Amino acid sequence: GAVVSQHPSRVICKSGTSVKIECRSLDFQATTMFWYRQFPKQSLMLMATSNEGSKATYEQGVEKDKFLINHASLTLSTLTVTSAHPEDSSFYICSARASKGYEQYFGPGTRLTVT
Amino acid sequence: DQQVKQNSPSLSVQEGRISILNCDYTNSMFDYFLWYKKYPAEGPTFLISISSIKDKNEDGRFTVFLNKSAKHLSLHIVPSQPGDSAVYFCAASRLGAGGTSYGKLTFGQGTILTVHP
Repeated sequence: GAVVSQHPSRVICKSGTSVKIECRSLDFQATTMFWYRQFPKQSLMLMATSNEGSKATYEQGVEKDKFLINHASLTLSTLTVTSAHPEDSSFYICSARASKGYEQYFGPGTRLTVT
Repeated sequence: DQQVKQNSPSLSVQEGRISILNCDYTNSMFDYFLWYKKYPAEGPTFLISISSIKDKNEDGRFTVFLNKSAKHLSLHIVPSQPGDSAVYFCAASRLGAGGTSYGKLTFGQGTILTVHP
């Protein structure tokens, strides 16, 4: 149980284009989903927290207009990187937490490369 | 401000011996702690957690110890196996926090564990 999927696993896009990453909880309902990014050899940095049906809460320093988060259902959250630039290249990971329980279950991550 | 620190970037252990991974935190408001294991290009996998009302939690080969006065926790893996080789992250959370802070995880930098056969 507690499986979280992400799609796509890898994406390469050109500078200036937008990319959407999906995060799904496959066998449980996730009232809260989190989006992280990880730079090489660094820790996971929380970008934003999204609760189903409400606006995401962004961490300090994260541009909400650049990283659009939608959590339209209890099993799906999306992160759209708008007008991507090479510095947005990173490993993006989502996690999901069930309505009951404290643990977060992570997706396999999405490697974004902006050329 | 690094609120959760794993001061050892790497640890090398012989198969069958004990692996001890350490983690320190500075925020006394943290009340729930978790350990995750991560392979390259994959998401972290939850291993074990502990509430601040406890000082020890055990699950099979994994035991987590919490010393609140020292703001220190450790993960013990015994016996260590080559398949345990991965990056281990500790994370801390404030379950007592309300609103949007509830359940947010703050991660340490990670420790690379290598278990030699």
